[in-house]
Amino acid sequence: KNEVEQSPQNLTAQEGEFITINCSYSVGISALHWLQQHPGGGIVSLFMLSSGKKKHGRLIATINIQEKHSSLHITASHPRDSAVYICALERGSNYQLIWGAGTKLIIKP
Amino acid sequence: ETGVTQTPRHLVMGMTNKKSLKCEQHLGHNAMYWYKQSAKKPLELMFVYSLEERVENNSVPSRFSPECPNSSHLFLHLHTLQPEDSALYLCASSQAGASYEQYFGPGTRLTVT
Repeated sequence: KNEVEQSPQNLTAQEGEFITINCSYSVGISALHWLQQHPGGGIVSLFMLSSGKKKHGRLIATINIQEKHSSLHITASHPRDSAVYICALERGSNYQLIWGAGTKLIIKP
Repeated sequence: ETGVTQTPRHLVMGMTNKKSLKCEQHLGHNAMYWYKQSAKKPLELMFVYSLEERVENNSVPSRFSPECPNSSHLFLHLHTLQPEDSALYLCASSQAGASYEQYFGPGTRLTVT
């Protein structure tokens, strides 16, 4: 069993819809990262969180440490939100993150 | 623009060639990373340098050779690669230590023929 699972693998939605991407994990963590990868390849860090909730613009990330689950929400989705969203786990003081396989999101106009 | 640049952006090389990938960060970070991203697979960490010393080497074949001459520059030297090495190679940087945010470059798309 993978230590981190993302769902869904692929998601297609219409512009304006509320989007939820999930990340479940089975190991203890010190933090969880959400990142975005556009088709060109570059990866941008969206959030790093260890508890509760963070919000940046139309993006909201939540984490429930007891349930080992995190969600990334996008409100009022837009075609420019089309990207792969990746969850990654941080486990203490080494440099190795545990990477999810990513969720490919397509927002249609 | 994340403050991390990579060159070249695209590279096609034969199996007998020798080439190098370059990464430069302008963020004042002291840790740098090489990742490999193959189609439909999670990122794979290849090497980590912290304060210019290699701290992680994840069983990467010796045909990949990293070099970190200073905290702003990172190279990946390639020789006698195999077709299965074709992938996107991403460089990242961060502050050293726990609970860090990594900043990624745009990647080098490598094709081995």
